[in-house]
Amino acid sequence: EAGVAQSPRYKIIEKRQSVAFWCNPISGHATLYWYQQILGQGPKLLIQFQNNGVVDDSQLPKDRFSAERLKGVDSTLKIQPAKLEDSAVYLCASSLPPPGLEQYFGPGTRLTVT
Amino acid sequence: RKEVEQDPGPFNVPEGATVAFNCTYSNSASQSFFWYRQDCRKEPKLLMSVYSSGNEDGRFTAQLNRASQYISLLIRDSKLSDSATYLCVPLEGFQKLVFGTGTRLLVSP
Repeated sequence: EAGVAQSPRYKIIEKRQSVAFWCNPISGHATLYWYQQILGQGPKLLIQFQNNGVVDDSQLPKDRFSAERLKGVDSTLKIQPAKLEDSAVYLCASSLPPPGLEQYFGPGTRLTVT
Repeated sequence: RKEVEQDPGPFNVPEGATVAFNCTYSNSASQSFFWYRQDCRKEPKLLMSVYSSGNEDGRFTAQLNRASQYISLLIRDSKLSDSATYLCVPLEGFQKLVFGTGTRLLVSP
């Protein structure tokens, strides 16, 4: 079974530029998550989708971050404009509805903002 | 108080040793808990789930103390391949995982 796919794997941009990340979850997984992991810290949830609806975006910096999952499958996360402190690994994860609570993570996109 | 607190380590142990990690969580409503393992520059992967007082899987034992809001992970007979960061993860709300900063383990020959 294919895992969670993410692209690109690495991205380097200058501050104030825009960037977009793409995620394709495991087939059949209705729940999709975007996490930000800063070096030395655990992943922090940015946004959670159930199908194409947002369940939790309380920690998403909405002035610069946006995410969508239009058809309930693939998702994109965008940062516009980027700041230096956005340098991190952006992880996408997916899971089945309850009781399948295990989250499966993609390899992540490593973003460096210079 | 942080939602999840873990000693960042690193814990340096020789092969064959037994090592234990502790974790405290602040949300008393959390019902389910997980330990995830994260290798260097890799994504987190589920190691164990803890739904009641504890769980055992081979060399790994997780224990939960709800009264003290405390979870532990015990690794027996450490292997070189156990070197990784171990993330303590309570479940809150609707499938929301809250990750700790992780405890780094280094197993040496």
